[in-house]
Amino acid sequence: DQQVKQNSPSLSVQEGRISILNCDYTNSMFDYFLWYKKYPAEGPTFLISISSIKDKNEDGRFTVFLNKSAKHLSLHIVPSQPGDSAVYFCAASRLEYGNKLVFGAGTILRVKS
Amino acid sequence: ETGVTQTPRHLVMGMTNKKSLKCEQHLGHNAMYWYKQSAKKPLELMFVYSLEERVENNSVPSRFSPECPNSSHLFLHLHTLQPEDSALYLCASSQGSGFLKAFFGQGTRLTVV
Repeated sequence: DQQVKQNSPSLSVQEGRISILNCDYTNSMFDYFLWYKKYPAEGPTFLISISSIKDKNEDGRFTVFLNKSAKHLSLHIVPSQPGDSAVYFCAASRLEYGNKLVFGAGTILRVKS
Repeated sequence: ETGVTQTPRHLVMGMTNKKSLKCEQHLGHNAMYWYKQSAKKPLELMFVYSLEERVENNSVPSRFSPECPNSSHLFLHLHTLQPEDSALYLCASSQGSGFLKAFFGQGTRLTVV
Protein backbone atom coordinates (compact mmCIF):
# COMPACT_ATOMS: atom_id res chain seq x y z
CA ASP A 1 0.00 0.00 0.00
CA GLN A 2 1.62 3.19 -1.20
CA GLN A 3 1.33 5.93 1.39
CA VAL A 4 2.70 8.62 -0.91
CA LYS A 5 1.44 8.76 -4.47
CA GLN A 6 2.53 10.77 -7.44
CA ASN A 7 -0.12 9.90 -9.97
CA SER A 8 1.44 11.64 -12.96
CA PRO A 9 4.46 9.69 -14.22
CA SER A 10 5.46 12.57 -16.46
CA LEU A 11 4.76 16.21 -17.25
CA SER A 12 5.79 18.34 -20.20
CA VAL A 13 5.85 22.16 -19.93
CA GLN A 14 6.99 25.00 -22.16
CA GLU A 15 9.91 27.09 -20.96
CA GLY A 16 8.74 30.15 -19.05
CA ARG A 17 5.42 28.61 -18.04
CA ILE A 18 4.42 27.18 -14.68
CA SER A 19 5.10 23.55 -13.79
CA ILE A 20 2.79 21.99 -11.20
CA LEU A 21 3.75 18.66 -9.72
CA ASN A 22 1.25 16.91 -7.49
CA CYS A 23 1.50 14.50 -4.61
CA ASP A 24 -1.13 12.77 -2.47
CA TYR A 25 -0.65 10.95 0.80
CA THR A 26 -2.83 8.64 2.82
CA ASN A 27 -1.31 8.74 6.29
CA SER A 28 -2.75 11.68 8.24
CA MET A 29 0.05 11.32 10.80
CA PHE A 30 2.63 12.67 8.36
CA ASP A 31 3.69 16.14 9.46
CA TYR A 32 6.66 16.99 7.28
CA PHE A 33 6.93 16.90 3.51
CA LEU A 34 9.83 17.28 1.14
CA TRP A 35 10.53 17.48 -2.55
CA TYR A 36 13.68 16.00 -4.05
CA LYS A 37 14.97 16.44 -7.57
CA LYS A 38 16.97 13.82 -9.44
CA TYR A 39 18.97 14.14 -12.64
CA PRO A 40 20.00 11.03 -14.58
CA ALA A 41 23.11 9.37 -13.17
CA GLU A 42 22.92 11.46 -10.00
CA GLY A 43 21.41 10.92 -6.58
CA PRO A 44 18.32 12.86 -5.45
CA THR A 45 18.99 16.35 -4.10
CA PHE A 46 16.84 18.15 -1.58
CA LEU A 47 14.77 20.94 -3.09
CA ILE A 48 12.22 22.31 -0.65
CA SER A 49 10.20 21.21 2.37
CA ILE A 50 7.14 22.16 4.34
CA SER A 51 5.90 21.47 7.83
CA SER A 52 2.26 20.64 8.45
CA ILE A 53 1.86 23.83 10.48
CA LYS A 54 2.20 25.78 7.24
CA ASP A 55 0.27 25.70 4.01
CA LYS A 56 2.88 27.34 1.81
CA ASN A 57 6.64 27.60 1.59
CA GLU A 58 8.50 29.53 -1.05
CA ASP A 59 12.12 29.45 -2.17
CA GLY A 60 12.91 31.44 -5.29
CA ARG A 61 11.12 29.90 -8.26
CA PHE A 62 9.89 26.97 -6.16
CA THR A 63 6.78 27.01 -4.00
CA VAL A 64 5.26 24.08 -2.17
CA PHE A 65 1.60 24.14 -1.15
CA LEU A 66 0.08 21.84 1.44
CA ASN A 67 -3.63 21.06 1.76
CA LYS A 68 -3.92 18.94 4.89
CA SER A 69 -7.64 18.33 4.62
CA ALA A 70 -7.18 16.92 1.13
CA LYS A 71 -3.89 15.21 2.04
CA HIS A 72 -2.38 16.82 -1.00
CA LEU A 73 0.71 18.83 -1.74
CA SER A 74 2.00 20.40 -4.88
CA LEU A 75 5.23 21.91 -6.13
CA HIS A 76 5.02 24.95 -8.38
CA ILE A 77 7.98 26.02 -10.48
CA VAL A 78 7.68 29.49 -12.00
CA PRO A 79 9.07 30.23 -14.51
CA SER A 80 10.10 26.76 -15.67
CA GLN A 81 13.55 26.44 -17.21
CA PRO A 82 15.06 23.66 -19.34
CA GLY A 83 17.48 22.91 -16.49
CA ASP A 84 14.50 21.98 -14.34
CA SER A 85 14.00 18.86 -16.46
CA ALA A 86 14.48 16.01 -13.98
CA VAL A 87 12.58 13.48 -11.89
CA TYR A 88 10.84 15.03 -8.88
CA PHE A 89 10.16 12.90 -5.82
CA CYS A 90 7.69 13.80 -3.12
CA ALA A 91 8.47 12.45 0.36
CA ALA A 92 6.67 12.48 3.69
CA SER A 93 7.67 11.87 7.26
CA ARG A 94 6.50 12.06 10.81
CA LEU A 95 8.89 14.20 12.82
CA GLU A 96 9.03 11.77 15.71
CA TYR A 97 10.06 9.08 13.21
CA GLY A 98 12.84 11.34 11.98
CA ASN A 99 14.79 8.65 10.23
CA LYS A 100 12.00 7.38 8.02
CA LEU A 101 11.05 9.15 4.82
CA VAL A 102 8.34 7.64 2.61
CA PHE A 103 8.81 8.48 -1.04
CA GLY A 104 6.49 8.64 -4.01
CA ALA A 105 7.40 7.01 -7.32
CA GLY A 106 8.45 10.29 -8.91
CA THR A 107 7.28 12.49 -11.78
CA ILE A 108 9.46 13.14 -14.83
CA LEU A 109 9.36 16.83 -15.73
CA ARG A 110 10.41 17.91 -19.22
CA VAL A 111 10.72 21.61 -19.87
CA LYS A 112 10.79 22.38 -23.58
CA SER A 113 12.62 25.40 -24.93
CA GLU B 1 29.53 17.15 -5.42
CA THR B 2 27.13 16.23 -2.65
CA GLY B 3 29.70 14.99 -0.16
CA VAL B 4 28.38 11.43 -0.41
CA THR B 5 30.37 9.14 -2.68
CA GLN B 6 29.33 5.68 -3.78
CA THR B 7 31.43 3.04 -5.50
CA PRO B 8 31.19 1.36 -7.85
CA ARG B 9 28.81 3.35 -10.04
CA HIS B 10 27.84 0.26 -12.01
CA LEU B 11 28.01 -3.41 -11.07
CA VAL B 12 27.06 -6.55 -12.94
CA MET B 13 27.13 -9.74 -10.91
CA GLY B 14 26.05 -13.32 -11.23
CA MET B 15 23.64 -14.91 -8.81
CA THR B 16 26.41 -16.88 -7.11
CA ASN B 17 28.79 -13.94 -6.71
CA LYS B 18 29.61 -11.97 -3.58
CA LYS B 19 30.18 -8.25 -3.94
CA SER B 20 30.05 -5.13 -1.78
CA LEU B 21 28.80 -1.61 -2.36
CA LYS B 22 30.64 1.18 -0.61
CA CYS B 23 29.45 4.57 0.56
CA GLU B 24 31.53 7.35 2.09
CA GLN B 25 30.32 10.68 3.39
CA HIS B 26 32.49 13.74 4.01
CA LEU B 27 29.81 15.86 5.67
CA GLY B 28 30.34 14.96 9.31
CA HIS B 29 26.88 13.40 9.50
CA ASN B 30 26.04 10.77 12.10
CA ALA B 31 23.31 8.86 10.29
CA MET B 32 23.56 6.85 7.06
CA TYR B 33 21.00 5.01 4.98
CA TRP B 34 20.64 2.52 2.14
CA TYR B 35 17.77 2.96 -0.30
CA LYS B 36 16.71 0.83 -3.25
CA GLN B 37 15.13 2.35 -6.33
CA SER B 38 13.51 -0.04 -8.79
CA ALA B 39 12.11 1.14 -12.09
CA LYS B 40 8.90 3.17 -11.72
CA LYS B 41 8.73 2.46 -7.99
CA PRO B 42 9.24 4.71 -4.97
CA LEU B 43 12.57 4.78 -3.22
CA GLU B 44 12.48 2.02 -0.61
CA LEU B 45 14.32 2.49 2.66
CA MET B 46 16.40 -0.60 3.41
CA PHE B 47 18.61 0.17 6.40
CA VAL B 48 19.27 3.05 8.76
CA TYR B 49 22.41 3.50 10.84
CA SER B 50 22.55 6.13 13.53
CA LEU B 51 25.82 6.63 15.39
CA GLU B 52 27.09 3.44 13.72
CA GLU B 53 24.28 1.38 15.18
CA ARG B 54 21.64 -0.18 12.97
CA VAL B 55 18.30 1.29 14.01
CA GLU B 56 16.14 0.20 11.13
CA ASN B 57 15.91 -2.86 8.93
CA ASN B 58 12.89 -2.76 6.68
CA SER B 59 12.33 -6.49 6.22
CA VAL B 60 15.21 -6.73 3.82
CA PRO B 61 16.24 -10.28 2.75
CA SER B 62 19.36 -11.61 4.43
CA ARG B 63 21.18 -11.74 1.10
CA PHE B 64 21.71 -8.01 1.74
CA SER B 65 24.01 -7.39 4.68
CA PRO B 66 24.92 -3.84 5.76
CA GLU B 67 28.01 -2.82 7.67
CA CYS B 68 28.86 0.52 9.23
CA PRO B 69 32.43 0.46 10.60
CA ASN B 70 32.41 4.17 11.43
CA SER B 71 30.25 7.22 10.95
CA SER B 72 31.79 8.04 7.56
CA HIS B 73 31.52 4.66 5.86
CA LEU B 74 28.69 2.34 5.00
CA PHE B 75 28.82 -0.91 3.09
CA LEU B 76 26.19 -3.17 1.60
CA HIS B 77 27.42 -6.74 1.20
CA LEU B 78 25.63 -8.74 -1.47
CA HIS B 79 25.51 -12.52 -1.89
CA THR B 80 23.36 -14.96 -3.86
CA LEU B 81 21.23 -12.18 -5.27
CA GLN B 82 18.27 -12.68 -7.59
CA PRO B 83 17.60 -10.92 -10.92
CA GLU B 84 14.76 -8.98 -9.27
CA ASP B 85 17.36 -7.36 -7.02
CA SER B 86 18.62 -5.42 -10.03
CA ALA B 87 18.05 -1.76 -9.17
CA LEU B 88 19.70 1.53 -8.29
CA TYR B 89 21.07 1.43 -4.75
CA LEU B 90 21.35 4.83 -3.12
CA CYS B 91 23.25 5.77 -0.02
CA ALA B 92 22.30 8.86 1.99
CA SER B 93 23.45 10.62 5.12
CA SER B 94 22.03 13.19 7.50
CA GLN B 95 22.89 14.94 10.70
CA GLY B 96 21.04 14.21 13.90
CA SER B 97 17.89 12.25 14.41
CA GLY B 98 16.09 14.35 11.84
CA PHE B 99 16.35 12.66 8.51
CA LEU B 100 14.64 15.61 7.05
CA LYS B 101 17.38 16.87 4.80
CA ALA B 102 19.27 13.82 3.67
CA PHE B 103 22.11 14.05 1.18
CA PHE B 104 22.26 11.28 -1.38
CA GLY B 105 25.12 9.70 -3.26
CA GLN B 106 24.97 9.12 -7.01
CA GLY B 107 23.96 5.51 -6.58
CA THR B 108 25.22 2.14 -7.77
CA ARG B 109 23.37 0.66 -10.73
CA LEU B 110 23.30 -3.08 -9.96
CA THR B 111 22.42 -5.71 -12.53
CA VAL B 112 22.10 -9.33 -11.44
CA VAL B 113 22.43 -11.84 -14.27
